[in-house]
Amino acid sequence: EVQLVESGGGLVQPGRSLRLSCTASGFTFGDYAMSWVRQAPGKGLEWVGFIRSKAYGGTTEYAASVKGRFTISRDDSKSIAYLQMNSLKTEDTAVYYCTRAIGTVVTPRGIDYWGQGTLVTVSS
Amino acid sequence: QTVVTQEPSLTVSPGGTVTLTCASSTGAVTSGYYPNWFQQKPGQAPRALIYSTSNKHSWTPARFSGSLLGGKAALTLSGVQPEDEAEYYCLLYYGGAYVFGTGTKVTVL
Repeated sequence: EVQLVESGGGLVQPGRSLRLSCTASGFTFGDYAMSWVRQAPGKGLEWVGFIRSKAYGGTTEYAASVKGRFTISRDDSKSIAYLQMNSLKTEDTAVYYCTRAIGTVVTPRGIDYWGQGTLVTVSS
Repeated sequence: QTVVTQEPSLTVSPGGTVTLTCASSTGAVTSGYYPNWFQQKPGQAPRALIYSTSNKHSWTPARFSGSLLGGKAALTLSGVQPEDEAEYYCLLYYGGAYVFGTGTKVTVL
């Protein structure tokens, strides 16, 4: 059974940093790209970014709203994906979901599995 | 900035059929956008329903189907059940980035 468990959320002041972790199980983590998606309170879904598998260079793509501030990385030996968030703004307040990308290919075909999410609140 | 637009809300009777659409501000949606559809109920994480336009996941009920319709991606619910009441989101791929649609609230009444 595929499971994705996020951790690391909490309250953080504007301008500070936070790192989220996503621990995966139930599949060969290194074969898949992993994505992060967020949802501000009462709002819709927003794609944050993804990291390809090492087979495709482990390269990353980001939404314009977070590019240059957020970094996605992965540790295949531990089956963990990370989202490093720097220079946080109040508008980054959201539930952050870890997701698995569809297909072991260079361009994921979308998202299949989702974690339960972790809440990040950016406030002074 | 790319905008992906969905109907804000739709109402359907139990047993009825409803079609949700997903339009891109850049023009017609094609299979190259790998349209995905997700269902989200209050307080829950989203659940994937459809990928690459019309492919179902192993858990997707047969009454859900995806297609391209008039330059948009579409999700059709046939034989709607009360438990289908939820928010539905589409997702499109734009050559390195993904964009979610604005979401459609489906009410079963």
